[in-house]
Amino acid sequence: GDSVTQMEGPVTLSEEAFLTINCTYTATGYPSLFWYVQYPGEGLQLLLKATKADDKGSNKGFEATYRKETTSFHLEKGSVQVSDSAVYFCALSVAGNTGKLIFGQGTTLQVKP
Amino acid sequence: EAGVAQSPRYKIIEKRQSVAFWCNPISGHATLYWYQQILGQGPKLLIQFQNNGVVDDSQLPKDRFSAERLKGVDSTLKIQPAKLEDSAVYLCASSFPRVSGGTPGETQYFGPGTRLLVL
Repeated sequence: GDSVTQMEGPVTLSEEAFLTINCTYTATGYPSLFWYVQYPGEGLQLLLKATKADDKGSNKGFEATYRKETTSFHLEKGSVQVSDSAVYFCALSVAGNTGKLIFGQGTTLQVKP
Repeated sequence: EAGVAQSPRYKIIEKRQSVAFWCNPISGHATLYWYQQILGQGPKLLIQFQNNGVVDDSQLPKDRFSAERLKGVDSTLKIQPAKLEDSAVYLCASSFPRVSGGTPGETQYFGPGTRLLVL
């Protein structure tokens, strides 16, 4: 079945470090891919998305490129801030599957000053 | 624009008791989702509504969980009787679909969730 696998956390970085959170997927169709972020005490928020192969989603300095050949959607940021500390979820939805999201297990990011 | 509202934010009950959660989606959003998020895991869909009709309830434990969306707006999720393994955060989300049943690229907007602890 359709699934998403994220790198294990927690990830601890110093401020201004480069961030990569790996995400790979398995899907029977052609999925849309998402990164959601959950800040402490808040609900899930869409960070970025890509709906077809080679699309790049970007927002707030974060980027992810939809790589069909490697079935990946890795999240990157060039210089993290303390305020980026949160849990990041990779997710997919597949055409003909009612639009429901299938999530990875989440990766906790802690950024230290 | 007001976001997705949920209540209560926290609930503690004993096993075998019943509990209900309420969700008010973003105005005009026809599609409503309930997800269950167990600690350390990603959210998993329980049920999806399109207006007041059920689109997908394949993962809903129907022997104890029920949900309704009267008039195609607010929704209520109920658990009766609760088990220890139901301890989780229950998330409500809504989206404005371009076609019936939702579309895969549609953004879903999440509420703050209800954290349930079953003792």
